[in-house]
Amino acid sequence: GESVGLHLPTLSVQEGDNSIINCAYSNSASDYFIWYKQESGKGPQFIIDIRSNMDKRQGQRVTVLLNKTVKHLSLQIAATQPGDSAVYFCADLSGGSYIPTFGRGTSLIVHP
Amino acid sequence: DAGITQSPRYKITETGRQVTLMCHQTWSHSYMFWYRQDLGHGLRLIYYSAAADITDKGEVPDGYVVSRSKTENFPLTLESATRSQTSVYFCASGQVRGAQHFGDGTRLSIL
Repeated sequence: GESVGLHLPTLSVQEGDNSIINCAYSNSASDYFIWYKQESGKGPQFIIDIRSNMDKRQGQRVTVLLNKTVKHLSLQIAATQPGDSAVYFCADLSGGSYIPTFGRGTSLIVHP
Repeated sequence: DAGITQSPRYKITETGRQVTLMCHQTWSHSYMFWYRQDLGHGLRLIYYSAAADITDKGEVPDGYVVSRSKTENFPLTLESATRSQTSVYFCASGQVRGAQHFGDGTRLSIL
C-alpha cells in the first residue's frame, strides 16, 4: 500500500521510550482539538481529544497538552511500542464549524 | 457491526470512465465527509453533508459529484475519471462538534 509517511517529519524512538509529537495550529478561534493515528493502509483513527477549557487530558498511555497562548498542541505517548508506529496528525475546529483543519502529520517509527 | 464501511477497497479504471465510491455508516451521524489523501497534500476535503439531501463543496470538488438520499449513505461519483484523480479516498462521519470517524479508504488508480 501507499506510504503516507513520505515527505512528513519523522520521529524515531526506541521501544519503551516516551514519544512527544507536536502540532501547531493557526486559528486562534479554535476550541476543539483531536489527535488521530493512521497506520499504513488504514484510515485515520481517533486517539484523544481536548477542548479549549482544558490544558491537559490523559488517556491510556497518551496525554494531550494544549497551550493556547502559542497555539500549540502535543501528544505524549508513554512506553512507546512497535504497534504505535504510524502517522499522527492533529485537527482543530473553531466554534460553530464542524469542518476540522487537519495538520500534515508526523511519522512515528518505533524501533524494537 | 457499527462503523463506517467503504467499498470497493481497491479500484482500477480508465480515464473517462464513471466511478462511484460507496460509503455507509451505522452510527446515524448527521455529518459525512469525503476526503482524498495524496503524498505531499495530506487530507483534502472534497464534499461534505450536514444531513440527508444537504451537501456542500469542500476544498477540491471539481470532477466529483455526491448525493445523500439517506442519512447512512454518502456515495462519491467521479463523472469522467482523470489520472489526477488517482488517490486514496476516505469517507468520514461525525456529530456536530465531535471527532470524525473514518473508513479504511478506497485506493483508486486511473490509467
